[in-house]
Order: sequence, then C-alpha cells, then structure tokens
Amino acid sequence: DGGITQSPKYLFRKEGQNVTLSCEQNLNHDAMYWYRQDPGQGLRLIYYSQIVNDFQKGDIAEGYSVSREKKESFPLTVTSAQKNPTAFYLCASSKTDRGYNEQFFGPGTRLTVL
Amino acid sequence: AQKVTQAQTEISVVEKEDVTLDCVYETRDTTYYLFWYKQPPSGELVFLIRRNSFDEQNEISGRYSWNFQKSTSSFNFTITASQVVDSAVYFCALSELVRSNDYKLSFGAGTTVTVRA
Repeated sequence: DGGITQSPKYLFRKEGQNVTLSCEQNLNHDAMYWYRQDPGQGLRLIYYSQIVNDFQKGDIAEGYSVSREKKESFPLTVTSAQKNPTAFYLCASSKTDRGYNEQFFGPGTRLTVL
Repeated sequence: AQKVTQAQTEISVVEKEDVTLDCVYETRDTTYYLFWYKQPPSGELVFLIRRNSFDEQNEISGRYSWNFQKSTSSFNFTITASQVVDSAVYFCALSELVRSNDYKLSFGAGTTVTVRA
C-alpha cells in the first residue's frame, strides 16, 4: 500500500545528543515536509523540500537539519542546539508544492528528552 | 499574526448531534486554498476537504459539509449526525503563495471534538 512511514514511533533522547527521525514515502511525491506539533497548538513547519537535493527552512528551523538525497526519503535530525525538542513530529508529502495539493501525513514520531 | 484562528478549543456532543467547527483566516492573496484535516488519537492527520478561493459554492460530502464565505474570511465545517468515531482534533489550514512557486500551509490550533455515546 502507498503511504508514508515514520520511525521510530517513540524516541527518547538525552540532553546534548543528536537524533535522526526517519521519513519514507512510496507515493512518488515530489514535495516533503516536516512539522512539529506541541500540545494545544497547530502544526509548525520546520523544513520542506520540493525536489531532491534541495530544501528550504520553514518557520522554526533552528536546531534542526534535513537532507533529501532520494525522492522517497527526508530524514530530520534534531540537534543538541534545539533547546526544547520534546514534541510530536509529523512528516508529510504532496504531489508538488503548488498549494492546492493536499498533504499526506505519516503516523508521527513522539520525541522526549530525558 | 495568526493566519488561521479556530476559536473553539473543545467541543463535546452526544452522538447524532451536529457539530460545527469555526475557522477564520487572514490572507492578502487573491488565490489561496483552504483545507480541513482530522487528527484521530493515532496521531496521523487525515485530509478531509479542500476549497479554493475562487469557489464559494458550499457542498456536502456524506456527513461533512462546509460553508466558505470570503466576505467574512470564514471556512466553517459541519459534521452531521456525529458518531463516536468522529472524536478527534480537527485542523483548519490555509495554503498561500509566499514566493514564486512556493506555497506554505498554515494551521490553526485545532478543535478537539468529543462525541459521547
């Protein structure tokens, strides 16, 4: 079945560690996105990519990094520079970044800093 | 400034009641797109409906309907005859052009809907 997978579902990190969240899609979508969701808030855009080997910062990119070496994959690294990383992270993809295309979401990764 | 405002934080209804979710948006664009997404307890957002700024015709799709009014910048969403499975967080979102060929989706804070049996 086509869809988006994120792993792991739950992730625990010690302060000062970098961690990488995986996002894979087999929908043949060009555009991919990373969002952060905090309790009682909407989704905020971290990074997005419209094409392989290119990506753009979103609203809250500080302390995060991404890569887009393959069309299917868009991993997110939460670095030690991110001061408050505990949150729910959602990956999404869409056909193109033309605005009218709905985004398809993965099941999310819940990151907790110990 | 908040681009998308969902004033209702939580709504609780009894099964079979109708539920209307309010959404007010802010944009300077003439071309934009509005979406409603559902986030069940599993966490994954599910696309429900889309409307573009040129089409104010309101529609019904099954138990879902929406009321788009450009004059008041509102895009309200109604679930008719609610069911327990409708319990979720519902997000309204606005897609607008931020620069050439580059759209951005802005989400409201969400409305938690609880349907009691």
